[in-house]
Amino acid sequence: DGGITQSPKYLFRKEGQNVTLSCEQNLNHDAMYWYRQDPGQGLRLIYYSQIVNDFQKGDIAEGYSVSREKKESFPLTVTSAQKNPTAFYLCASSMAGLGSYNEQFFGPGTRLTVL
Amino acid sequence: KQEVTQIPAALSVPEGENLVLNCSFTDSAIYNLQWFRQDPGKGLTSLLLIQSSQREQTSGRLNASLDKSSGRSTLYIAASQPGDSATYLCAVNEEYSGAGSYQLTFGKGTKLSVIP
Repeated sequence: DGGITQSPKYLFRKEGQNVTLSCEQNLNHDAMYWYRQDPGQGLRLIYYSQIVNDFQKGDIAEGYSVSREKKESFPLTVTSAQKNPTAFYLCASSMAGLGSYNEQFFGPGTRLTVL
Repeated sequence: KQEVTQIPAALSVPEGENLVLNCSFTDSAIYNLQWFRQDPGKGLTSLLLIQSSQREQTSGRLNASLDKSSGRSTLYIAASQPGDSATYLCAVNEEYSGAGSYQLTFGKGTKLSVIP
């Protein structure tokens, strides 16, 4: 089955620790995205990548880092510099470079809680 | 900066009713608009995508319309069922930072409850 997987489903972090969230897709999509969702809020873009070995900051990149070494994978690291990391994190992917037709597909999400 | 607003924030209807969810956006220079469904604690499921050149799209009991010039979209759900209970999000796709990449800006969603 084609799709996007995220792991773990739940993640607990102590203050001061870095944690990495996994996102893998087998849709052969070029573009991948990370969003953060807080209760009662819309999704906000953290980072995105249009192609392997390239990524760009979104609206709320401070305290986060990413890598894109493989087309299928786009891991997100939440660093200790992120002041309020407790949230629901969603990964998405789409075809890229097609202008107006680039429907985004989402993974099941990771809920991160800071203890 | 693009802003997307969804009204109402919550809606409760009896089973079988037809209903309309509203989405408005401030900048009409969009490429397309997507409607998503989100169940509690889950990811987003894409329901419909309307290209900027289209007026509407249909999938089963769902019909989405787009009036780009006025910055409005509606999602019409016919003959609602309890299984339709979820949060519905709309998002507009526009060029981001002039870099030739296209990003989604989301509304906060409408939480729908269909009462049996």
